[in-house]
Amino acid sequence: RKEVEQDPGPFNVPEGATVAFNCTYSNSASQSFFWYRQDCRKEPKLLMSVYSSGNEDGRFTAQLNRASQYISLLIRDSKLSDSATYLCVVNRVSSNTGKLIFGQGTTLQVKP
Amino acid sequence: EPEVTQTPSHQVTQMGQEVILRCVPISNHLYFYWYRQILGQKVEFLVSFYNNEISEKSEIFDDQFSVERPDGSNFTLKIRSTKLEDSAMYFCATSRGSTEAFFGQGTRLTVV
Repeated sequence: RKEVEQDPGPFNVPEGATVAFNCTYSNSASQSFFWYRQDCRKEPKLLMSVYSSGNEDGRFTAQLNRASQYISLLIRDSKLSDSATYLCVVNRVSSNTGKLIFGQGTTLQVKP
Repeated sequence: EPEVTQTPSHQVTQMGQEVILRCVPISNHLYFYWYRQILGQKVEFLVSFYNNEISEKSEIFDDQFSVERPDGSNFTLKIRSTKLEDSAMYFCATSRGSTEAFFGQGTRLTVV
């Protein structure tokens, strides 16, 4: 079983739509959780951290359910510029350093 | 905004040759990482480095790979004898603590 699993998509949505991505992780020792965004042939960029209490940043809302080992990202009022691959990432700390474990990413295409 | 800088952006090398990929971390960051991404695949952890030594390494990081911080600023990844399957995007990442990491723009390594 993959340590971080995501539906690869692609998700094709019209501008203005609301879209939700889900992710599950298998290692209960995972300690921190993130969504990164990756544009084609570019580096991953931190979109937001994910907390159990849920957190929101503008049109983006992230949620963590530790009991179910489940992470979600909701994008409201999607824009053309939201088209990218969204990476679910967990951080497992050992030997005083964190190790980011990436899901394979979910591709989003926002159409006019 | 401080950023992680990687050089070169693209390296083409012949099979069997040695390559050195360079990274300048964000100045107050203490934790350093190398990740790689083969075209079309997910981002994979290679190695983490803290306090001038390797903290953790993956199965990919075999004897052909080494890392060092020779002058207190640059963080390098050396591949001693490149193979065709080493062709990938190599990302350096740094962090303040064992939390989210910030990525450089990557070095695209092509082994021919």
